[in-house]
Amino acid sequence: DAGITQSPRHKVTETGTPVTLRCHQTENHRYMYWYRQDPGHGLRLIHYSYGVKDTDKGEVSDGYSVSRSKTEDFLLTLESATSSQTSVYFCAISEGGVGWTQYFGPGTRLLVL
Amino acid sequence: QQPVQSPQAVILREGEDAVINCSSSKALYSVHWYRQKHGEAPVFLMILLKGGEQKGHEKISASFNEKKQQSSLYLTASQLSYSGTYFCGTDPDRDDKIIFGKGTRLHILP
Repeated sequence: DAGITQSPRHKVTETGTPVTLRCHQTENHRYMYWYRQDPGHGLRLIHYSYGVKDTDKGEVSDGYSVSRSKTEDFLLTLESATSSQTSVYFCAISEGGVGWTQYFGPGTRLLVL
Repeated sequence: QQPVQSPQAVILREGEDAVINCSSSKALYSVHWYRQKHGEAPVFLMILLKGGEQKGHEKISASFNEKKQQSSLYLTASQLSYSGTYFCGTDPDRDDKIIFGKGTRLHILP
């Protein structure tokens, strides 16, 4: 299994509070991604990173920000959590390039009350 | 840009075959297939590249029709362990970002 961990694995928070989710990899892969998964929507890309301090938006980036100060860590921040951000969040990594494979972390279940 | 998967769900008996389709409105350069079991992370199955090279799972096959912008995943002689949700993903802008379909739920009965 690829060395990807996510923390916390579960979190309950209240509307309006800031939340930060962490993704940590030990594979030294260049690319890192944050997805959210909701019933009926599949996996939707929030943000991704193609290098340290290099990030870009995905399909559903509103209300989220990211940071990557080290190759191994990719942080997802909800500045002011809303109930619509209740979801399962997956981090993924890949080396990029032709024939690249994306590996997913175990996920974080976030409940915003 | 999200690829469209069909069917949305399928129920089979063990030993039967299944086909899951994935179509895109944009040109395909690669198609990625993943399987996710309930409560777990998606797991890579297979990648198909433009030009026909296929890399992935030994017991599951797939096709890639570039002209029709479609891919199909074939599960033959299905096993109970094949149950789960299957996702296809495409990289339409060739920028190392996968956009996933909504998934196909597969349930195998004994």
